[in-house]
Amino acid sequence: SQQGEEDPQALSIQEGENATMNCSYKTSINNLQWYRQNSGRGLVHLILIRSNEREKHSGRLRVTLDTSKKSSSLLITASRAADTASYFCATGLNQGGKLIFGQGTELSVKP
Amino acid sequence: DAGVIQSPRHEVTEMGQEVTLRCKPISGHDYLFWYRQTMMRGLELLIYFNNNVPIDDSGMPEDRFSAKMPNASFSTLKIQPSEPRDSAVYFCASSFRAGPYEQYFGPGTRLTVT
Repeated sequence: SQQGEEDPQALSIQEGENATMNCSYKTSINNLQWYRQNSGRGLVHLILIRSNEREKHSGRLRVTLDTSKKSSSLLITASRAADTASYFCATGLNQGGKLIFGQGTELSVKP
Repeated sequence: DAGVIQSPRHEVTEMGQEVTLRCKPISGHDYLFWYRQTMMRGLELLIYFNNNVPIDDSGMPEDRFSAKMPNASFSTLKIQPSEPRDSAVYFCASSFRAGPYEQYFGPGTRLTVT
């Protein structure tokens, strides 16, 4: 089964609102990463948080990690229509560069 | 850098034919990953290499699938014989050993087997 499970599966918001996506995982991790995929394209890395970190920011992105609950959240503030995409969490295990991806959250931002 | 390069971008073939997908990773990256993405199963890791050596091929569906990495700048994923259920988008990604292990994805190859 998938290591990471995302919630919700789909999210529709208005431009300017904040979007929050959650990810839960099952086993111990080395790091957790978030990726974006625009329709018909490859995945693009957004942000990485290590297992000993609790929060990280990058521009309009904020990621939190709670290793006790085995969960992470991605917050996109002041969303834009261009943020419309699928967002995936991926867990890095203690096995080199291998990542296990979740099923993704499909975000739609309406102008 | 041109990023990860995959070819072809689209492939349509008939059941039973051999299909070869190609990937050129980013220069200097020493990890290479092959993924398959479908609506039903999401993004699945098929196999990955480190320094051209296969490390984990547990995601390869069956013996019809094989992957090689003859040198640091080239990898192939071969399906022989192909079946309609192999229809998917196949992605290649690469990353740098020194970490933090973020992966760079190619644009993908959309495979349709009729």
